[in-house]
Parts: sequence; C-alpha cells; structure tokens
Amino acid sequence: EPEVTQTPSHQVTQMGQEVILRCVPISNHLYFYWYRQILGQKVEFLVSFYNNEISEKSEIFDDQFSVERPDGSNFTLKIRSTKLEDSAMYFCASKGDTGELFFGEGSRLTVL
Amino acid sequence: QKEVEQDPGPLSVPEGAIVSLNCTYSNSAFQYFMWYRQYSRKGPELLMYTYSSGNKEDGRFTAQVDKSSKYISLFIRDSQPSDSATYLCAIPPSGSARQLTFGSGTQLTVLP
Repeated sequence: EPEVTQTPSHQVTQMGQEVILRCVPISNHLYFYWYRQILGQKVEFLVSFYNNEISEKSEIFDDQFSVERPDGSNFTLKIRSTKLEDSAMYFCASKGDTGELFFGEGSRLTVL
Repeated sequence: QKEVEQDPGPLSVPEGAIVSLNCTYSNSAFQYFMWYRQYSRKGPELLMYTYSSGNKEDGRFTAQVDKSSKYISLFIRDSQPSDSATYLCAIPPSGSARQLTFGSGTQLTVLP
C-alpha cells in the first residue's frame, strides 16, 4: 500500500539552528501539506502546496518557514532559525484524486 | 468561536461498550465531515467521511451528521482494545479539502 514517508523520525536541535524535515509523498498525488502537533494539543495546518507553489498557509507559517519540492519526489519543510516553541510533531500529508489526505508518521522536532 | 469543537477526553470504556464521540462546528456552509484516528506517536489516518447530513456506516463505525444543530458524531459498536486511540473530527472549511481544520481530539481507551 502506498504511503507517505518522513525523515528524520526525531531530530534534536539547538535553538537558532536551521532544520529541514523531509517527506516523500505518495507518487501520483499532486497536493502536499505540512501540519504540526505540539504535544498535547491539536493538529494544526501549516501550509499546502500545489503546482510548485504554496496554495494556502496559516498564521503559524511565518517567514521562518519555507517549503520546497526540490525534485519529483521530495517535499521539504525548512525552519530557518528554530525557537523553543517550534518543538512539535510535524506531519506531512498528500492528497490525490480521491480527496483523502494521507499522513506520514511524523517527524518529532525537539528544540533545546 | 472556534470552527470545530470536540468533546474533551479522556474517555475510558470497557471492551464491548458502545462509544459516542462528538463535535460541533460553527459554519453552516460546511459540507464534508471527517473522522480521523490517531494512534500514539503516529500520523492521523482517515476513518470515515460523510457529505451533508445523515448517517454512514462502515463495519462497527457509524458517522452521523446533524446539520440543523451543527453536530457530528462517531459511534463505535462493540469497542475493542485496538480501538484505543485519539479520534479527531476534521472539516475542510473551503469544501475543497485543500486544508483541514481538526478538532482537539478525544482520547479513547478501551479496557480489556
């Protein structure tokens, strides 16, 4: 069964460092998303991406965040200068013709 | 007013019990309603979705939408310990599922 894969599963970084979280969406999907979930809180939308550009972003997705699809398979989320409050699970998701969102297992980011 | 509000948990039931999980939403224009299941330290996975009002049944799971009261429910019959997870209601505000707004989730534990 096709799945969304994310790496790394867990990353620990120092405050102020840059972090790149990687995702490989399901191969024939065209819509890509990043969500985040701070421990004990709800899953929050960050950004959606379609046709090589951002289609929607939330107020959380400020100038410190960026997304990129550098090749035909990867979809990355970059945080330029991490803050303590960026510590969370980051979920990548992709969507195809059925409209169902498929989520990856998440990347846990811990900012010290 | 929040777009989606979900009954707080945690909820603990004995095996075999009928479980009722509920959400309310604010915008009467919403048409699609989804339930996601999230196991601990995993990404959300789509359990069921419904369009407009009425019931939808899938095995032991029934999703119900009452648009007049802006209330959505998920019923689990003959609950099993493997049903122990966090259940999230989700709504795509734009109707296009470009992004989802999740409820805060209800943590369910089914005791053997």
